[in-house]
Amino acid sequence: DQQVKQNSPSLSVQEGRISILNCDYTNSMFDYFLWYKKYPAEGPTFLISISSIKDKNEDGRFTVFLNKSAKHLSLHIVPSQPGDSAVYFCAASGPGNTGKLIFGQGTTLQVKP
Amino acid sequence: DAGITQSPRHKVTETGTPVTLRCHQTENHRYMYWYRQDPGHGLRLIHYSYGVKDTDKGEVSDGYSVSRSKTEDFLLTLESATSSQTSVYFCAIRKDRGSTDTQYFGPGTRLTVL
Repeated sequence: DQQVKQNSPSLSVQEGRISILNCDYTNSMFDYFLWYKKYPAEGPTFLISISSIKDKNEDGRFTVFLNKSAKHLSLHIVPSQPGDSAVYFCAASGPGNTGKLIFGQGTTLQVKP
Repeated sequence: DAGITQSPRHKVTETGTPVTLRCHQTENHRYMYWYRQDPGHGLRLIHYSYGVKDTDKGEVSDGYSVSRSKTEDFLLTLESATSSQTSVYFCAIRKDRGSTDTQYFGPGTRLTVL
């Protein structure tokens, strides 16, 4: 039972254009959502997060949108750069203090020069 | 940089042998986590710890045990390695200060069980 799903295994965009990565979840108790970026042979790197009390969070070129009614979040990267090419994971956590994260399967983004 | 190191970075072992992976942090945070990453599955939580000698299971804990005798070290042991445990293993910490569940990851250990 996959509680967090990234249905697109890969995405290819042109440099300078917008990249949109999507994530769906099933557990309405999730209250905090994160995006991580991962390069080959490295650990995941925290990118941006959003609390369930918000519907948008922005950090430079990265914006995360949360639609609670649809149980859907998305990561927008504008403008996309070749260095953004990586695997992107969304993750979710629920109430309680354990901090346990549930991850999606990941989406491989390729930004072409 | 969250000051997390993992050792070894690469290991090849044979089925049935015991294997211990080490995670070391320099900032003395309470919460530490072990994940495995496999194609098509993302990262899945194996075990986590919320203090010295305080550990609990994650979603894929079968075949794994953990120990935390010091704040800075979190060990993951495969008592008798199987080929299905071939994976990349990541350790993570959650910083004590602040109220979010953001985790920071180590560089990973690539384990191959033949």
